[in-house]
Amino acid sequence: SQTIHQWPATLVQPVGSPLSLECTVEGTSNPNLYWYRQAAGRGLQLLFYSVGIGQISSEVPQNLSASRPQDRQFILSSKKLLLSDSGFYLCAWRDGRSSYNSPLHFGNGTRLTVT
Amino acid sequence: AQKVTQAQTEISVVEKEDVTLDCVYETRDTTYYLFWYKQPPSGELVFLIRRNSFDEQNEISGRYSWNFQKSTSSFNFTITASQVVDSAVYFCALSERGNFNKFYFGSGTKLNVKP
Repeated sequence: SQTIHQWPATLVQPVGSPLSLECTVEGTSNPNLYWYRQAAGRGLQLLFYSVGIGQISSEVPQNLSASRPQDRQFILSSKKLLLSDSGFYLCAWRDGRSSYNSPLHFGNGTRLTVT
Repeated sequence: AQKVTQAQTEISVVEKEDVTLDCVYETRDTTYYLFWYKQPPSGELVFLIRRNSFDEQNEISGRYSWNFQKSTSSFNFTITASQVVDSAVYFCALSERGNFNKFYFGSGTKLNVKP
């Protein structure tokens, strides 16, 4: 069966520090991968998605970047965090072969607080 | 324009009451899928159901039921005899065949079930 791992679960970082959140998927190949952010009490904002190694689509221009160095690994990064980067970050995958009709499967999320 | 609208920001009910969560979507694609997700206080998003645009049959799973009506572009979710464990934020989502890399979420409805 497929599983998705996301870490760390919580993170407190000072303004201006770098960020690296990692997500890996097991039990499937060629998944579509996604990073979402959820501000407190708000909806889900799509940040990035990837349909293959090295292929990244950015939905919202901002202080963050994403990379996909391996088929089942998706990394969210920042060189210098802003206070506004605080939020709940969720990684998700879906079957790349039939993506339009397959659900997104989410990791447990990372709660980031920038101080 | 919003692709998925969940007009109810927050709903409070007393245990054992029935509650319906509304979802209205907008698409020009003739082939699409609709989804519901549950986000309990712990944060992870749990996939509940998928419905394709060609199947308007209502679906029932235990205390949960879904009413899909293409004529009104709605995909409503009813919880019968609500329980405290149903307290969560519920998201409706849309995936279109013609734009299959995207996954559009509504803003969510927070359901509070009081004992």
